[in-house]
Amino acid sequence: EAQVTQNPRYLITVTGKKLTVTCSQNMNHEYMSWYRQDPGLGLRQIYYSMNVEVTDKGDVPEGYKVSRKEKRNFPLILESPSPNQTSLYFCASSLPGVNTEAFFGQGTRLTVV
Amino acid sequence: KQEVTQIPAALSVPEGENLVLNCSFTDSAIYNLQWFRQDPGKGLTSLLLIQSSQREQTSGRLNASLDKSSGRSTLYIAASQPGDSATYLCAVSGATNKLIFGTGTLLAVQP
Repeated sequence: EAQVTQNPRYLITVTGKKLTVTCSQNMNHEYMSWYRQDPGLGLRQIYYSMNVEVTDKGDVPEGYKVSRKEKRNFPLILESPSPNQTSLYFCASSLPGVNTEAFFGQGTRLTVV
Repeated sequence: KQEVTQIPAALSVPEGENLVLNCSFTDSAIYNLQWFRQDPGKGLTSLLLIQSSQREQTSGRLNASLDKSSGRSTLYIAASQPGDSATYLCAVSGATNKLIFGTGTLLAVQP
């Protein structure tokens, strides 16, 4: 089954404790990205990757890092989480090109206290 | 800067009714527009993708239209069912595959 898998689904952590949210896709997609969803603000792009070893900032990259060492994986790293990073996070993947359907993971609900 | 707006923010209809969800965007220089469905705990599911050169797309009871020049899209749901209850999101895409989302319409279909 074609899917994007995120882990964990739920996470409560404390301020400053480094964490990683994993994302893996099994569709051999070149393009992957991370979004956060906040009430009243919708989904906003954090980082994206056009292919292995190629990453770039989205609209809200502050406080986040990513890496793309393999085509299937695109982890999101919070080096020092803060309460304003409490949000619902989604990983997405698609084929390259301007008319390709995006596939989303099930989301990771992160709470930073 | 591209902005996407969805109206209404919430909608409640009785089962069987036909309904229309609206999406508008400020910059007509888009490559495509996608409609997604979001269910609690289940992420986003792509419903329809309309390329910028197309006027509409259909899938089952769903029909999406696109008027790029006026910056508008509509999602028409025929004969609504309780299982259609979800949040519906529209998103436009530019050259970098980045999706710019509206804040969604929360639909409740009452049995």
